[in-house]
Amino acid sequence: AQTVTQSQPEMSVQEAETVTLSCTYDTSESDYYLFWYKQPPSRQMILVIRQEAYKQQNATENRFSVNFQKAAKSFSLKISDSQLGDAAMYFCGGATNKLIFGTGTLLAVQP
Amino acid sequence: DVKVTQSSRYLVKRTGEKVFLECVQDMDHENMFWYRQDPGLGLRLIYFSYDVKMKEKGDIPEGYSVSREKKERFSLILESASTNQTSMYLCASSLVERFANTGELFFGEGSRLTVL
Repeated sequence: AQTVTQSQPEMSVQEAETVTLSCTYDTSESDYYLFWYKQPPSRQMILVIRQEAYKQQNATENRFSVNFQKAAKSFSLKISDSQLGDAAMYFCGGATNKLIFGTGTLLAVQP
Repeated sequence: DVKVTQSSRYLVKRTGEKVFLECVQDMDHENMFWYRQDPGLGLRLIYFSYDVKMKEKGDIPEGYSVSREKKERFSLILESASTNQTSMYLCASSLVERFANTGELFFGEGSRLTVL
């Protein structure tokens, strides 16, 4: 069975600062993907970043990067140089033969 | 641009009514999904379909049914709506093989259903 846990229901960051959203997962599979989705207010969810479990190098997409600690089962998202448009609900998740999402972290960006 | 379109953004229905939520994708994707999103519970899978006329139950299928008569269209049906089905419903599609999910889904904007 897969589980995904996001322990931070809400977070806040100042514009231009860096914020890290936490996520832990558990799976018995050896081959899986981990991902972060962003859901802006009243807009559709979009894939932010994705990591394949067998890859040791952490994935990076512009200002978004992940810290994948396989032994600790941790998959955190770092947003650098935060912008007002980063304000959204962020969902962590994992994919094997099915996709599992966490409960989400609502990120506020203060000007 | 890829697009997943949900027919209704907001619906208000009465208990016992039959409700149809429609979803259309223009990407020729094999897989389509219906999720329910509730605060503190994240996204929970109701049903998914990996081909026309094929469907599989997700984690919370009770009280719901689905229909996929055409590849691009996936409908969620609430046969007799109840107040505990008040929620945000998200449709999504993906290209990947049925049992090789890589996590890349394309979502619609959601349908917020209120059942009175």
